[in-house]
Amino acid sequence: QKEVEQNSGPLSVPEGAIASLNCTYSDRGSQSFFWYRQYSGKSPELIMFIYSNGDKEDGRFTAQLNKASQYVSLLIRDSQPSDSATYLCAVKTPGSGNTGKLIFGQGTTLQVKP
Amino acid sequence: NAGVMQNPRHLVRRRGQEARLRCSPMKGHSHVYWYRQLPEEGLKFMVYLQKENIIDESGMPKERFSAEFPKEGPSILRIQQVVRGDSAAYFCASSPDRAEKLFFGSGTQLSVL
Repeated sequence: QKEVEQNSGPLSVPEGAIASLNCTYSDRGSQSFFWYRQYSGKSPELIMFIYSNGDKEDGRFTAQLNKASQYVSLLIRDSQPSDSATYLCAVKTPGSGNTGKLIFGQGTTLQVKP
Repeated sequence: NAGVMQNPRHLVRRRGQEARLRCSPMKGHSHVYWYRQLPEEGLKFMVYLQKENIIDESGMPKERFSAEFPKEGPSILRIQQVVRGDSAAYFCASSPDRAEKLFFGSGTQLSVL
């Protein structure tokens, strides 16, 4: 079992729809969760982070965390073609100690069709 | 305020040669991380450094790979005697403290012929 798992996709949604990206993790002691966006050939860019169970909203983005079920999701409302990218889920496990060492999923490719 | 700077963007090496990848962290950041991204795979942690110290190198292969972050100058990831399997994108990230919000550079794409 991978430490952080994502469906590689591609996930295709029409413009204006809600895109839902999911991620599961194996280490129940994980405390910090991140979503990075990576355009093709570019560097990962942090777009959301969440530490507590529940929802966290930032503009069109909502991160959802359920520690009991060990999953974290990212919702993108009113999807735009410019949202087309690979979304990487990253988790800080207890083994990371007090550092920024993150475990990344393989990423989900999102395609927003005009 | 420049971001994390990596160079070169693209590096081509023949098998057996050495590859040197450079990373200058964001101004004010003293923590540097190196990650490797293979095609169709996620980012894999390699090494975490602070100035003049390697803090965690648990993700770095024991042979041929080394990293440093000197008191002056950029962080260097060095790969000796490269093999085709070393072909990947190598990303550097920095942070101002031990926090986990990482800022990534644009990466170095290493191609081994």
